[in-house]
Amino acid sequence: AQSVSQHNHHVILSEAASLELGCNYSYGGTVNLFWYVQYPGQHLQLLLKYFSGDPLVKGIKGFEAEFIKSKFSFNLRKPSVQWSDTAEYFCAVRVLSGGYNKLIFGAGTRLAVHP
Amino acid sequence: DVKVTQSSRYLVKRTGEKVFLECVQDMDHENMFWYRQDPGLGLRLIYFSYDVKMKEKGDIPEGYSVSREKKERFSLILESASTNQTSMYLCASIPRDRDNQPQHFGDGTRLSIL
Repeated sequence: AQSVSQHNHHVILSEAASLELGCNYSYGGTVNLFWYVQYPGQHLQLLLKYFSGDPLVKGIKGFEAEFIKSKFSFNLRKPSVQWSDTAEYFCAVRVLSGGYNKLIFGAGTRLAVHP
Repeated sequence: DVKVTQSSRYLVKRTGEKVFLECVQDMDHENMFWYRQDPGLGLRLIYFSYDVKMKEKGDIPEGYSVSREKKERFSLILESASTNQTSMYLCASIPRDRDNQPQHFGDGTRLSIL
């Protein structure tokens, strides 16, 4: 069965530190890749997405992610985090299968950024 | 702009009750999805539907059923609610085979089963 693994459940950083959140998926076919963010008490928001083309994608708020097909990975990065980046981050993979698609989420990574 | 509307933001029900969660989208999307979100578990797919009267089990369908009588509406049914179904429920939709668009999510229904 398809699955998405996020390596870190909790990450604690100081402001200005660099961030990398890991995401791996298990599916050999065509996929679309997403990172969502959920700020405390708020709804899911799309941070960035990869459909095709350049495997390095840039999203909102200075985030970027790199799709490495050979590693089945889509890691999220930010060079310098801010306190306002404190949130939960979800990696998601959309499996394209026949006449329909299916979006599968990882368990999430809670990021706490200390001033 | 696409709108996915979930009928209730907060809902409190009792154990054993039959519970209906409604989701409506206004963009003629074929594919609709129900997830539940729990701390430490992320979003887990309960059921999805790729057309009217069509349904597919997701990863955790036990204790749930769904109904898709009209294209715009996808209902999640808890046949006999139990306390372990207390959760945040999210509905989403997307056009079929549109692999250049993200899913559109509703605001969620926070369901408490007492």
